[in-house]
Amino acid sequence: QVQLKESGPGLVQPSETLSLTCTVSGFSLTSYSVSWVRQPSGKGPEWMGRMWYDGDTAYNSALKSRLSISRDTSKNQVFLKMNSLQTDDTGTYYCTRDPMSVMDAWGQGASVTVSS
Amino acid sequence: DIQMTQSPSSMSVSLGDTVTITCRASQDVGIYVNWFQQKPGKSPRRMIYRATNLADGVPSRFSGSRSGSDYSLTISSLESEDVADYHCLQYDEYPYTFGAGTKLELK
Repeated sequence: QVQLKESGPGLVQPSETLSLTCTVSGFSLTSYSVSWVRQPSGKGPEWMGRMWYDGDTAYNSALKSRLSISRDTSKNQVFLKMNSLQTDDTGTYYCTRDPMSVMDAWGQGASVTVSS
Repeated sequence: DIQMTQSPSSMSVSLGDTVTITCRASQDVGIYVNWFQQKPGKSPRRMIYRATNLADGVPSRFSGSRSGSDYSLTISSLESEDVADYHCLQYDEYPYTFGAGTKLELK
């Protein structure tokens, strides 16, 4: 059964770097792409970027200067790193499985608060 | 970036109603529109993919349609479990963009 699970610190200091891990099971990272999507509380989701099944990456241009997505296929993990965090980066961060029709499965989400 | 203008932002509904939510794309996105349902405190769930295709396990009262740059999600004979937020997504072009959402509330 397809599962994705996000993990990482719930609290990040302003100007610091956020590091999140998406651990997947039930499918291969070399067969499916994985996206990161975030959602501020009470607002709509925002697509952040994607790790393609072939190892290529794509980023939302609004975040590209701060964002890095990588993976370890041996551990079935996809990583997100975003630097220079500010309070408006607070929200829930999701990873999703992306077949060509995108986002057919979502993780439970990781709540991130940016605060001192 | 492509804008997905979603309407209405909220809707007061009754059980048994037929409900239609619409997203208008600011430029051509072809069939590359998905619809998601999200309940409070839960992750989004894909309901419709490629504008008109029902996702696995989704009840047949949900349907998607397209007319030009307008994409619609229709729920026929609304049930209590359908009361949720709904979002559209275009994935024709980077960055993928979501609509602002529609909140269904019971009268």
